[in-house]
Amino acid sequence: QVQLVQSGAEVKKPGASVKVSCKASGYTFTGYYMHWVRQAPGQGLEWMGWINPNSGGTNYAQNFQGRVTMTRDTSISTVYMELSRLRSDDTAVYHCARDSEAGGKSTLSFDYWGQGTLVTVSS
Amino acid sequence: IQLTQSPSSLSASVGDRVTITCRASQGISSYLAWYQQKPGKAPKLLIYAASTLQSGVPSRFSGSGSGADFTVTISSLQPEDFATYYCQQLNSYPITFGQGTRLEIK
Repeated sequence: QVQLVQSGAEVKKPGASVKVSCKASGYTFTGYYMHWVRQAPGQGLEWMGWINPNSGGTNYAQNFQGRVTMTRDTSISTVYMELSRLRSDDTAVYHCARDSEAGGKSTLSFDYWGQGTLVTVSS
Repeated sequence: IQLTQSPSSLSASVGDRVTITCRASQGISSYLAWYQQKPGKAPKLLIYAASTLQSGVPSRFSGSGSGADFTVTISSLQPEDFATYYCQQLNSYPITFGQGTRLEIK
């Protein structure tokens, strides 16, 4: 069965960086784009971007351009999301989510989600 | 593209029929999905392409709409349906979500 398992909670100081991992299993890792979505406490969902695990290509939301980097390691079926220059309003749960369509030609939904990683930014 | 859900919150009883609306700020064809989220959990995909039920989702859930106006309906509420529901547009980047509709027990 498809599983996305994320790394554990992090506490960071303002200005620091955080790198969250998402390990995939149960499907062909390189066959499906992976998205990152965050949710601030008590708030809604915000899309951050995607990575193509096959090519390493990325597409970031403008809100995060210059601060986010998504990478992958195909040898261990893991994607990473690194967010730099952290601010207090980056405190949120960060989820990886698999694109439902193989090959990334068209995105119809996010069919599997990681359990979420709480990142707390506090001085 | 902005998505506006209505209502923002809703109280209903087990067995009720409930409809949540999602309106897009511009046409998005049928590139709309619905998710259910319970506290402390990841969102769960319910419906994609506006009206296609995700595998394993109970048939009491249904979706409709195209263009800019969409709905999700729960035909007969069950205790496990009390949660927050989000719509999502995937027609163009950035992918966006509605603000959520909190469905509470009356």
